[in-house]
Amino acid sequence: GAGVSQSPRYKVTKRGQDVALRCDPISGHVSLYWYRQALGQGPEFLTYFNYEAQQDKSGLPNDRFSAERPEGSISTLTIQRTEQRDSAMYRCASSLAWPGGGRDEQFFGPGTRLTVL
Amino acid sequence: AQSVTQLDSHVSVSEGTPVLLRCNYSSSYSPSLFWYVQHPNKGLQLLLKYTSAATLVKGINGFEAEFKKSETSFHLTKPSAHMSDAAEYFCVVRLPYGGATNKLIFGTGTLLAVQP
Repeated sequence: GAGVSQSPRYKVTKRGQDVALRCDPISGHVSLYWYRQALGQGPEFLTYFNYEAQQDKSGLPNDRFSAERPEGSISTLTIQRTEQRDSAMYRCASSLAWPGGGRDEQFFGPGTRLTVL
Repeated sequence: AQSVTQLDSHVSVSEGTPVLLRCNYSSSYSPSLFWYVQHPNKGLQLLLKYTSAATLVKGINGFEAEFKKSETSFHLTKPSAHMSDAAEYFCVVRLPYGGATNKLIFGTGTLLAVQP
């Protein structure tokens, strides 16, 4: 079956613009996660959802970052008033079950490479 | 606080020789540990996971890892490297469920090069 997909794969924007990054999880997966990966680093947790409920947003760096998953499937990560330091690979993952639910392995998408000029 | 340290940023081996990628962890709890692999232009793929069952964990593509509590290590090994193993490898620890989260903490990665 299809894996996690993300769009766009590459996004170049100018400083100050808003961007929206989309994640389409594996069908039927309950939980969805967002991570950010700077060059030369491992991914860092941003936020995650069980169904449509945002359970943990402790990793969002500031209030310019927000995420939603209104119907418990597709999620959007929005960055307002982008800054150059926001340039990174943004990765999405989904899992069949919620934490502790047994089959909670995270499956990752290919990522969106964001470049802020 | 939970964290992982990958001791080598780059490892180069010859095809057919053993692979050893080192990882040490720090955890206040009995940890859940993972190894993920990232091939260029592809998503992260789970290689194997340790969740307090057998200390020697077998994964996909011939990889395995041994959890050693006394050494706080979770090194990844493979007896014989293949060209297709060239990729970046991440050691990962997961926060405990008590916080109702499934947050993964990634190491900084080890880039494996395989020479013909």
